[in-house]
Amino acid sequence: QSVLAQPPSASGTPGQRVTISCSGSSSNIRVNYVYWYQQLPGTAPKLLIYSDNQRASGVPDRFSGSKSGTSASLAISGLRSEDEADYYCTAWDGSLSGIIFGGGTKLTVL
Amino acid sequence: EVQLVESGGGLVQPGGSLRLSCAASGSTFSTYWMHWVRQAPGKGLVWVSRINPDGSRIDYADSVKGRFTISRDNAKNSLSLQMNSLRAEDTAEYYCASEGASCSGGSCFGHWGQGTLVTVSS
Repeated sequence: QSVLAQPPSASGTPGQRVTISCSGSSSNIRVNYVYWYQQLPGTAPKLLIYSDNQRASGVPDRFSGSKSGTSASLAISGLRSEDEADYYCTAWDGSLSGIIFGGGTKLTVL
Repeated sequence: EVQLVESGGGLVQPGGSLRLSCAASGSTFSTYWMHWVRQAPGKGLVWVSRINPDGSRIDYADSVKGRFTISRDNAKNSLSLQMNSLRAEDTAEYYCASEGASCSGGSCFGHWGQGTLVTVSS
């Protein structure tokens, strides 16, 4: 069971904007940075967003991150077929003294 | 840019041991936190362990504490994970990951290897 809660699935049509949520607690998201990763089918994950809302090098500005309180969100605008992937949020958890992942959200582009 | 290549995965019986290695290219290895992250077949990502640049700070997930040991050799640009008392639930793809130019602080995975598969089965 993941400490960070993500919806198991999300979907959208090309050109749409989709948002993926990540819900945590006062021991992780509220006080530590949130990171987002994209995992395309059959490949290693890739860093998308670091420090809550900073895009990693080479990541299109269609991807954006935000955080408020104990929740964070990843938004993808102008959805494209190549965005179909699994998306994971992570953060350090001070109570567990470890890095925790969300369960992942499978994004389908219809 | 750092490139990471894992090796050492394979089939091992329950209770057995295995040692994973990660070879890193580039001159920044000795300045980065390094991690192991695993992914069971068809499941999500799970952080396993991390080690700071000089090896003085090490953390483990509760699920592997006391059974796995992470270590690094900065002179050889290498990271290792010694896995003992392996269980069926340790079956997973194991990824080596590091910080990157975009992220630091010990909790970020800027670069990833391609993974090595560990299967624990009799």
